[in-house]
Amino acid sequence: EIVLTQSPATLSLSPGERAALSCRASQSVSSYLAWYQQKPGQAPRLLIYDVSNRATGIPARFSGSGSGTDFTLTIDSLEAEDFAVYYCHQRINWPLTFGQGTRLEVK
Amino acid sequence: DVQLVESGGGLVQPGGSLRLSCAAFEFTLNTYNMNWVRQAPGKGLEWVSYIGRSGDDQRYADSVKGRFTISRDTAKNSLYLQMNSLRDEDTAVYYCVREAAGFDPWGQGTLVTVSS
Repeated sequence: EIVLTQSPATLSLSPGERAALSCRASQSVSSYLAWYQQKPGQAPRLLIYDVSNRATGIPARFSGSGSGTDFTLTIDSLEAEDFAVYYCHQRINWPLTFGQGTRLEVK
Repeated sequence: DVQLVESGGGLVQPGGSLRLSCAAFEFTLNTYNMNWVRQAPGKGLEWVSYIGRSGDDQRYADSVKGRFTISRDTAKNSLYLQMNSLRDEDTAVYYCVREAAGFDPWGQGTLVTVSS
């Protein structure tokens, strides 16, 4: 099983700052890495697929990068609506797995 | 709009069974790979099961293998999850998810509570 480890567990920032969220895989996931945002009481929403491709309707301030085992979700100039929990996800190997999540909170 | 709507959740005793349904709107379900993902209260996301476009390829998390069965009805454009021998640890919101390049969209989820 591929284990995805996200860091930090909690990130405290202010609106307007830049956020960098990390996801490290226990083995290579090639480019089959996605990021999701989840707000309280809501279903997750796809942000980034295949490492760096923004999903439909996702603002340009969200970007993904990385390769192999190390990936980063960057959010430029945080807005109030961006404070949420973020999950990374791999779909190269069974079982499909998710990271444990990073909570982005207002400082 | 492309949409997934789950139903069938509820309270069930340990050892009991439940069948979840997921209706697909504005797309044909059997042209996509489909998945079930669950989230225990206050916890993260856990992939549960997958069915391929052809319907012949089905996968399960070890935690549910032998107890859960994924299926679909093309005439009803719906996905199902038959859950047997339910345990306390199966308590979660269950999401139906379409898979393309990522998991999108997600249904609103249906809550399954396993408790005596």
